[in-house]
Amino acid sequence: NAGVTQTPKFQVLKTGQSMTLQCAQDMNHEYMSWYRQDPGMGLRLIHYSVGAGITDQGEVPNGYNVSRSTTEDFPLRLLSAAPSQTSVYFCASSPLGSRGTEAFFGQGTRLTVV
Amino acid sequence: GNSVTQMEGPVTLSEEAFLTINCTYTATGYPSLFWYVQYPGEGLQLLLKATKADDKGSNKGFEATYRKETTSFHLEKGSVQVSDSAVYFCALGSSGSARQLTFGSGTQLTVLP
Repeated sequence: NAGVTQTPKFQVLKTGQSMTLQCAQDMNHEYMSWYRQDPGMGLRLIHYSVGAGITDQGEVPNGYNVSRSTTEDFPLRLLSAAPSQTSVYFCASSPLGSRGTEAFFGQGTRLTVV
Repeated sequence: GNSVTQMEGPVTLSEEAFLTINCTYTATGYPSLFWYVQYPGEGLQLLLKATKADDKGSNKGFEATYRKETTSFHLEKGSVQVSDSAVYFCALGSSGSARQLTFGSGTQLTVLP
């Protein structure tokens, strides 16, 4: 089972460049989300989606855009990269279930902005 | 708002030692609680969970009990192995599920042979 697949695994950007981090899941989960992981701060929610065509902001949305055109894909766009966006990015998916429903995570994208 | 306070790391133990990683939380409503583990170079995996007060989650010898009176969800293991070396994250799901998780800062565990 593929689960949640993120590409690329590593990326170096120059300040001001744009790029898209890809996320795909094959579990037919309604809910998808993006987190960033920074040292000493755990993971913080950037954006999330409860289904195709529906997205909303999390705790740290500034500088990022998302869209959800299909159930499977949830790309994260950086329009103008900044050094503060150097981080490890994780995509997660889960079904819209009841209490205790688990989130499944991808392997992460390590992004460095120079 | 919601927050999770997790024991500062890193933690270094010898094989077969007892492990405790403290986790306390602040939440509106009635959250579910989770422990996730991140092995080197990998994403996060669910280790265990608890959805209501006094529930005990357990997996791979790890245990944690949902204590509503002390707002805690401490992770314990009686005898750690080298293969347990990883980063451990405590998290809460305010909706009850893992859809919008609030994470602690993570605890790096290293187990020496």
